[in-house]
Amino acid sequence: SQQGEEDPQALSIQEGENATMNCSYKTSINNLQWYRQNSGRGLVHLILIRSNEREKHSGRLRVTLDTSKKSSSLLITASRAADTASYFCATERETSGSRLTFGEGTQLTVNP
Amino acid sequence: DAGVIQSPRHEVTEMGQEVTLRCKPISGHDYLFWYRQTMMRGLELLIYFNNNVPIDDSGMPEDRFSAKMPNASFSTLKIQPSEPRDSAVYFCASSADRVGYGYTFGSGTRLTVV
Repeated sequence: SQQGEEDPQALSIQEGENATMNCSYKTSINNLQWYRQNSGRGLVHLILIRSNEREKHSGRLRVTLDTSKKSSSLLITASRAADTASYFCATERETSGSRLTFGEGTQLTVNP
Repeated sequence: DAGVIQSPRHEVTEMGQEVTLRCKPISGHDYLFWYRQTMMRGLELLIYFNNNVPIDDSGMPEDRFSAKMPNASFSTLKIQPSEPRDSAVYFCASSADRVGYGYTFGSGTRLTVV
């Protein structure tokens, strides 16, 4: 079964709007992380939320985690054209040691 | 720190040739990961090391793939012989702590096998 499925697959919004991306997973986790990937570049770590946390903020980013529903959301407020990228959630499972399993990503396009 | 450094950035090779991808992790990071990214399969973990020791290589697709980490500052991923279906972007990432402070990724090597 696939761990870390993002929804939607693609999202297009106007600059200044908020963008919300969701991630679902299937097994118990130690933590969940969100990464951004600009076209042709490597992934950049954005934020990590541990399994005993419910919400975390970093600048314009807000992440929530609901372990009962095995889901997480990433909210980007007041989006900018520079936020255009693919966003991936990644889970560190309780049984997988330190390795992460990545979802397929959400392609976010912010139109100026 | 310059981050995780991968070389080469691009590699075009003919089928059957040997390909070696290189990675220099961030100094002091205990973990090193090799991932492969394709449109069809997304990001796949190939192998990871802890303190230079391979921990899990179950993601290595075939015996044609091998990885080494001779010291804490260098790792290689080798494909021999290469095939067109190996075409992908290969990423190296390193991490400092098991609990999870996030991975630092390199810029990747785009491999094209013709």
